[in-house]
Amino acid sequence: GAGVSQSPRYKVAKRGQDVALRCDPISGHVSLFWYQQALGQGPEFLTYFQNEAQLDKSGLPSDRFFAERPEGSVSTLKIQRTQQEDSAVYLCASSLGAFFRDGSYNEQFFGPGTRLTVL
Amino acid sequence: GNSVTQMEGPVTLSEEAFLTINCTYTATGYPSLFWYVQYPGEGLQLLLKATKADDKGSNKGFEATYRKETTSFHLEKGSVQVSDSAVYFCALSGGGADGLTFGKGTHLIIQP
Repeated sequence: GAGVSQSPRYKVAKRGQDVALRCDPISGHVSLFWYQQALGQGPEFLTYFQNEAQLDKSGLPSDRFFAERPEGSVSTLKIQRTQQEDSAVYLCASSLGAFFRDGSYNEQFFGPGTRLTVL
Repeated sequence: GNSVTQMEGPVTLSEEAFLTINCTYTATGYPSLFWYVQYPGEGLQLLLKATKADDKGSNKGFEATYRKETTSFHLEKGSVQVSDSAVYFCALSGGGADGLTFGKGTHLIIQP
């Protein structure tokens, strides 16, 4: 595909259920990011992959959140024992090159997001 | 840590009015600065960027200048259209952190 895709687009879970959210980045993109966007807020960083390596998971809010990218392309964000506070839009973004913390420009392309509602 | 502060919305303007959305930031070093836009029902799109002090980013009639002395990156447009109605996010990259740091977003409503 031409852009970043995410599935499912909408997910409703009962509290306590496990969910898995999928991200298909742009082909060949090295870097992949997950963000969480609560209602009325800006996206907040969750985790970053460079190829298959998870280089930063400092934004994951609890140990119930787990992300993987085993072959350096598709990524899955898993949330175990979902809670109501997990309700948000989960955004995936990819960029062509490696990410540098010094602010070097490397455009991130965002997917449409998965809206998770926990009842 | 890094932070981005942008004006609260919603901002409601009439068509052809002048637009300013303020954005200030806190970060160490020399971050890159961005404005992203989210149209109704669509994903985040990069609107414009600036990667060093005094750079001006521009796109679709929108402009923003990277002001290091005031740590600001205000978004401006001379004459807005109804089609500009969207949520606008100011963001930065760098400052020793991974990923982008976003502001809370400003909902812009343009009335005909």
